[in-house]
Amino acid sequence: DAKTTQPPSMDCAEGRAANLPCNHSTISGNEYVYWYRQIHSQGPQYIIHGLKNNETNEMASLIITEDRKSSTLILPHATLRDTAVYYCIAPLKRGAQKLVFGQGTRLTINP
Amino acid sequence: EPEVTQTPSHQVTQMGQEVILRCVPISNHLYFYWYRQILGQKVEFLVSFYNNEISEKSEIFDDQFSVERPDGSNFTLKIRSTKLEDSAMYFCASSEEWSQYFGPGTRLLVL
Repeated sequence: DAKTTQPPSMDCAEGRAANLPCNHSTISGNEYVYWYRQIHSQGPQYIIHGLKNNETNEMASLIITEDRKSSTLILPHATLRDTAVYYCIAPLKRGAQKLVFGQGTRLTINP
Repeated sequence: EPEVTQTPSHQVTQMGQEVILRCVPISNHLYFYWYRQILGQKVEFLVSFYNNEISEKSEIFDDQFSVERPDGSNFTLKIRSTKLEDSAMYFCASSEEWSQYFGPGTRLLVL
């Protein structure tokens, strides 16, 4: 599996955009980047995924660099409920594959 | 919005006893998974299941573990003879193809 590198922790003020970086320099051309988060001891929650193009959904935006060696997850208006551990996971090909969780980034949203 | 459900939410058992953890995946999903998370540690993959057979398993998933889809809706994880180190949060997940959706987990405590 391609390894991903994320900062261990980040802080963000409530209402501001939270930008979470991830390096995945060994990713190959057909391997996806997925983002999940885990709030306290709840089950991991799918956020977004992408291959080459930037993606946006109701939860977040995903910006992938042109060389695909890194990506940034953007929570546009962070709330206190976005405090969680965020995981960048790559690669994932189409179809069933195990998710390999690293340490992730512990994001704390401050009031 | 459809979601993965798991029962029970908590289970306490004596070492050596058998436990069965139950999951109801999202109804149109084809791929099913079990993960576990020991307190304070990473989420770890146990097994994936597709087309009524195991498609991948980790080294954690030894002969003491088994999975079954006994009917069209349930997906179960059985631990035959529990050990103290099996104490963990167990998460079930399902996917249609792209993204895995996790249940809330079963907290298993082996005494």
